[in-house]
Amino acid sequence: EVQLVESGGGLVQPGGSLRLSCAASGFTFSSYRMHWVRQAPGKGLVWVSRINGDGSSPTYADSVKGRFTISRDNAENTLYLQMNSLRAEDTAVYHCARVRISDSSFIYWGQGTLVTVSS
Amino acid sequence: DIQMTQSPSSLSASVGDRVTITCQASQDIKKYLNWYQQKPGKAPKLLIYDASNLETGVPSRFSGSGSGTDFAFTISSLQPEDIATYYCQQYYTLPLTFGGGTKVEIK
Repeated sequence: EVQLVESGGGLVQPGGSLRLSCAASGFTFSSYRMHWVRQAPGKGLVWVSRINGDGSSPTYADSVKGRFTISRDNAENTLYLQMNSLRAEDTAVYHCARVRISDSSFIYWGQGTLVTVSS
Repeated sequence: DIQMTQSPSSLSASVGDRVTITCQASQDIKKYLNWYQQKPGKAPKLLIYDASNLETGVPSRFSGSGSGTDFAFTISSLQPEDIATYYCQQYYTLPLTFGGGTKVEIK
């Protein structure tokens, strides 16, 4: 059974940093591109970042480019999102998600971890 | 970026009603459109991929149509368990973008 479990969320002050983790199991982690998608409270879904299975070609939404860094440890089956210079508008539940190899459909999602940026 | 305009933002219908949600892309995205269902406090669930293909295990009352810039999602007979917010999402190009969502309620 595929499982994605996020951790690392919490309350942080504006300008602060946080690192999210996503522990993956039930599939060959290194074979799949992985994504982060966020959802502000009461709002819609917003794609944040993706990374290839081998850790190459990290790509970001403009809103987080230069502040967030996606990475992965295939030996530990874990996806990361390092978030620096956090802003109030980064407050959201952050989901990791796995796509199908054949297309970019998000077929597995974690339950998410809440990041709150507030003083 | 490709903008996805979804409408309506909310709707209220009776059990058994036919419900249709539309999604318009700001440019041609071919068939590269997904539809997701999200229930409160839960992660989204893929229902339709490639605009019209039903994901395995999803009830046949859900369907999708369209290509290019105009797409539709239909629930042929609304059931109480269909209460949720529905999102379209394009995967023609990065950044991946979602519609604003449609909240479906029972009248």
